[in-house]
Amino acid sequence: GENVEQHPSTLSVQEGDSAVIKCTYSDSASNYFPWYKQELGKGPQLIIDIRSNVGEKKDQRIAVTLNKTAKHFSLHITETQPEDSAVYFCAASKNSWGKLQFGAGTQVVVTP
Amino acid sequence: IAGITQAPTSQILAAGRRMTLRCTQDMRHNAMYWYRQDLGLGLRLIHYSNTAGTTGKGEVPDGYSVSRANTDDFPLTLASAVPSQTSVYFCASSDEQGGDNEQFFGPGTRLTVL
Repeated sequence: GENVEQHPSTLSVQEGDSAVIKCTYSDSASNYFPWYKQELGKGPQLIIDIRSNVGEKKDQRIAVTLNKTAKHFSLHITETQPEDSAVYFCAASKNSWGKLQFGAGTQVVVTP
Repeated sequence: IAGITQAPTSQILAAGRRMTLRCTQDMRHNAMYWYRQDLGLGLRLIHYSNTAGTTGKGEVPDGYSVSRANTDDFPLTLASAVPSQTSVYFCASSDEQGGDNEQFFGPGTRLTVL
């Protein structure tokens, strides 16, 4: 089955700097890659996703890149703000009906 | 009700007891999921249902059962709880028939088995 590895497990950045989280996947048939943000005490919430026919997608301060050949994808957050502090999860799916394989998560701390 | 609700918010349970975690959604989504979240392991799928009346096993189904009698409700039952089932449990739903993979998560249930 699919295996998703996520690095780093924790990331501390200064406010205004950029943050990058990287994930690798094992199943070349996976073609849908979402990123979820989980704030303390809440359920995860989708922030951006990318499908395998696209190499990059951007939404304001967040962007995701996908390298299908290397089977890895990354989340980029620019101009980080304190409200970006949360746990971020990457995931992969074969897009058949929605079963997602999640990475272990990255705790991001943005310090003022 | 708006979105997905879960009950209870938290529970402390003696080992060997039976427990049902409740999940209700009001978005008329066809697909629903149960995950457990453990530190360092991310979210792992326990069971899923892609339409009312059908269920399937996820990555870690042992010790858990589900039912999907209607579109809105997807309860998760621990028949005889064990300490290794101490975790935070999240229910989620998605509108697969609409071609949208986005999963909407509930607020979670924190379960402690002693």
